[in-house]
Amino acid sequence: KAGVTQTPRYLIKTRGQQVTLSCSPISGHRSVSWYQQTPGQGLQFLFEYFSETQRNKGNFPGRFSGRQFSNSRSEMNVSTLELGDSALYLCASSPRGGAGEKLFFGSGTQLSVL
Amino acid sequence: QKEVEQDPGPLSVPEGAIVSLNCTYSNSAFQYFMWYRQYSRKGPELLMYTYSSGNKEDGRFTAQVDKSSKYISLFIRDSQPSDSATYLCAMKWNNAGNMLTFGGGTRLMVKP
Repeated sequence: KAGVTQTPRYLIKTRGQQVTLSCSPISGHRSVSWYQQTPGQGLQFLFEYFSETQRNKGNFPGRFSGRQFSNSRSEMNVSTLELGDSALYLCASSPRGGAGEKLFFGSGTQLSVL
Repeated sequence: QKEVEQDPGPLSVPEGAIVSLNCTYSNSAFQYFMWYRQYSRKGPELLMYTYSSGNKEDGRFTAQVDKSSKYISLFIRDSQPSDSATYLCAMKWNNAGNMLTFGGGTRLMVKP
């Protein structure tokens, strides 16, 4: 079974631009979550989608948004990029996001904002 | 103060040693506790998953949760150089979906 797939692997953008990251969950998984990982703040939850609906949202500004498609694939978008948005963005999936389910992560997209 | 505290290390041990990794937390609503291992330039990999207090063993790994002290531990027996990685504790409360709160991670180095 293929794991969580994230594209692209690396991305370089400049301040003020916008970026879209893509995630394909494990086959059969309908819950997709996004996390941001930085050296200073560690791993922080961005949002979770289930059946094309945002179910949970972390404490991030509105510049960070996401969506999920009917095939469970997900995208996240960051508008008006800031230097502080440089981070590893991780996508994770589980069957339904239920209480006892295990969460599986992809290898991430490394975003550098210059 | 962060909700989940974890000593960043680095923790350096000789091959074959028993490793103890720990996290403390402040939110008593956390019910599910996890340990992830993350190699450089990779995503976190789930090692252990426990619910509420108690112990769980899987091969060389043992996870302990003490909810009364708000303290969780991961023990690694017979540590190997391939165990060198960053270890992250994570936790969530009931009905949180996949909204996990992570510790900052402990970097472990196992020397041959």
